[in-house]
Amino acid sequence: EVQLVETGGGLVQPGRSLKLSCVASGFTFNNYWMSWTRQAPGKGLEWVASITNSGGSTYYPDSVKGRFTISRDNAQNTLYLQMNSLRSEDTATYYCTRDFRGAWDYWGQGVMVTVSS
Amino acid sequence: DIQMTQSPASLSASLGETVSIECLASEGISNDLAWYQQKSGKSPQLLIYAASRLQDGVPSRFSGSGSGTRYSLKISGMQPEDEADYFCQQSYKYPRTFGGGTKLELK
Repeated sequence: EVQLVETGGGLVQPGRSLKLSCVASGFTFNNYWMSWTRQAPGKGLEWVASITNSGGSTYYPDSVKGRFTISRDNAQNTLYLQMNSLRSEDTATYYCTRDFRGAWDYWGQGVMVTVSS
Repeated sequence: DIQMTQSPASLSASLGETVSIECLASEGISNDLAWYQQKSGKSPQLLIYAASRLQDGVPSRFSGSGSGTRYSLKISGMQPEDEADYFCQQSYKYPRTFGGGTKLELK
């Protein structure tokens, strides 16, 4: 059974940093691109970052480029999202997702990040 | 960026009714379109990928169609468990973008 389990969320002040982790199981992690997607409270979905299966290439929207870094440890079956210079508009539930033919076929349960003073 | 305009924003359907939700892309996306269902308090679930391919385990009453810039999701026979938010998403270009969502309620 495929499982994606995110950790690392919480309350953080504006301008500070936070690192999310996602432990994957039930599939061959290093065969798949992985991504992070977020959802602000009561709002729609926003793609945040993607990484190739080897980790050699990464992709970001302009809203987080230069502040967020996606990475992975294939030996540990773990995906990461380093978030720096956090802003109030980064407040959201962050989902770890597995890429499948351009879509995301498995989603974690989500982890809440609240940016507030 | 490719804008995805989803309609309607909300709708209400009776048990057994056929429902359609549409997504209009700001440019052609070559069938690189997915549909997701999100029930209250839960993570999104993939329903359709590549515009018309049904994800494993998804009931056959769900179907996707379209081409170019216009795509639709059809639910043939509304069931109580279909009450949820639905989102379309394009993967033709970066940044990946979503439609604004459709809230589907049972009448």
